[in-house]
Amino acid sequence: EVQMVESGGGLVQPGGSLRLSCAASGFTFSSYPMHWVRQAPGKGLEWVGFIRSKADGGTTEYAASVKGRFTISRDDSKSIAYLQMDSLKPEDTGVYYCSREIVLLLAAIHHYYGMDVWGRGTTVTVSS
Amino acid sequence: DIQMTQSPSSLSASVGDRVTITCRASQSISNYLNWYQQIPGKAPKLLIYAASSLQSGVPSRFSGSGSGTDFTLTISSLQPEDFATYYCQQTYSMFRTFGHGTKVEIK
Repeated sequence: EVQMVESGGGLVQPGGSLRLSCAASGFTFSSYPMHWVRQAPGKGLEWVGFIRSKADGGTTEYAASVKGRFTISRDDSKSIAYLQMDSLKPEDTGVYYCSREIVLLLAAIHHYYGMDVWGRGTTVTVSS
Repeated sequence: DIQMTQSPSSLSASVGDRVTITCRASQSISNYLNWYQQIPGKAPKLLIYAASSLQSGVPSRFSGSGSGTDFTLTISSLQPEDFATYYCQQTYSMFRTFGHGTKVEIK
């Protein structure tokens, strides 16, 4: 069964750090870009960032709201993606989801088409 | 960043109704547009990718259309399990962005 499970959420004070993990199973983890998406209480979805597959360079991209504070990494040997969150702010509070993205290689170019598998999410609360 | 504008932000409809949700991108995104359904307390679910391709396992009453900047999600006959919030998302830019969502409520 294809699935992803997030862990590592919790209560942290402003300015603190937290590392989230996303454990994947049932598919070839190394072949997929992995994303983090968050949702503040009662609000919509906000894309946080992603890491490309090693075959596509393994590089990362981040939303402006988290760039310089959050770091995404991956361990393909363990099929785990990580989200290291530093200098946390109250507005970082929410449910954090990991997801994999559909990618097609066409004419030597990677085309990205939507996030087809999601975890259930882990809750992060930043408060004093 | 590419901004995604959905309309309406909410709508009330009855079972059996035809429902249309629109999404407009701030610049052309070709067909790099996806639609998701989210039920409260659950993770989003991919419905449509590449503007008009139905994700495996999604009922055929869901359909998507559009290209460039203007896109549409249509539910041909609303079912009780379709009451949820729907989001569009672009994957044209390396900085993925979502629309603000359309909440579909029971009339």
